[in-house]
Amino acid sequence: EPEVTQTPSHQVTQMGQEVILRCVPISNHLYFYWYRQILGQKVEFLVSFYNNEISEKSEIFDDQFSVERPDGSNFTLKIRSTKLEDSAMYFCASRAVDRGGYEQYFGPGTRLTVT
Amino acid sequence: SQQGEEDPQALSIQEGENATMNCSYKTSINNLQWYRQNSGRGLVHLILIRSNEREKHSGRLRVTLDTSKKSSSLLITASRAADTASYFCATDRNNFNKFYFGSGTKLNVKP
Repeated sequence: EPEVTQTPSHQVTQMGQEVILRCVPISNHLYFYWYRQILGQKVEFLVSFYNNEISEKSEIFDDQFSVERPDGSNFTLKIRSTKLEDSAMYFCASRAVDRGGYEQYFGPGTRLTVT
Repeated sequence: SQQGEEDPQALSIQEGENATMNCSYKTSINNLQWYRQNSGRGLVHLILIRSNEREKHSGRLRVTLDTSKKSSSLLITASRAADTASYFCATDRNNFNKFYFGSGTKLNVKP
């Protein structure tokens, strides 16, 4: 069964460094999402992406964040200058665009630790 | 405002018993999804129910939706130790571009 994959599974970085989190959505899906989950807290929406542009973003998704679909398969989240409070699990999700395809499928997540 | 709040926050049952978790939300929705998350792992999609549906089944899972009460329930029948996980509902608030998760119900199934 096709699935969303994410790399790396765990990333440790120093405050102020840039990180890029990578995702490969399910191949026939056209909507892509990033969410994050701070330890012990809710899963929070960050951004959605369709047709090579951002469809919607949350207030968390400030100028430090950017997303890109550099080729036909990858979908990336970049954090330009990480802060301690960016430490969280980051989940990528994708969904199809058809009458029945509203289910979002999530990847296993990348645990980002900012020291 | 909160959207997609589950209760109870935690539930502990014996293997073989049924587990019921509830989700309430505040605004109108197109659909509601339930997910499972094992500790420290990713979110596994369980079931989606549309706003015009009242009940849906998938294996040992039964989901109901009451749009008049803005609530949904997830029933796991004949629970197993492997069902131990956190369960979340996610709603779209009539916006397919954005989904809101609740705080989850932590289910512990004792063998």
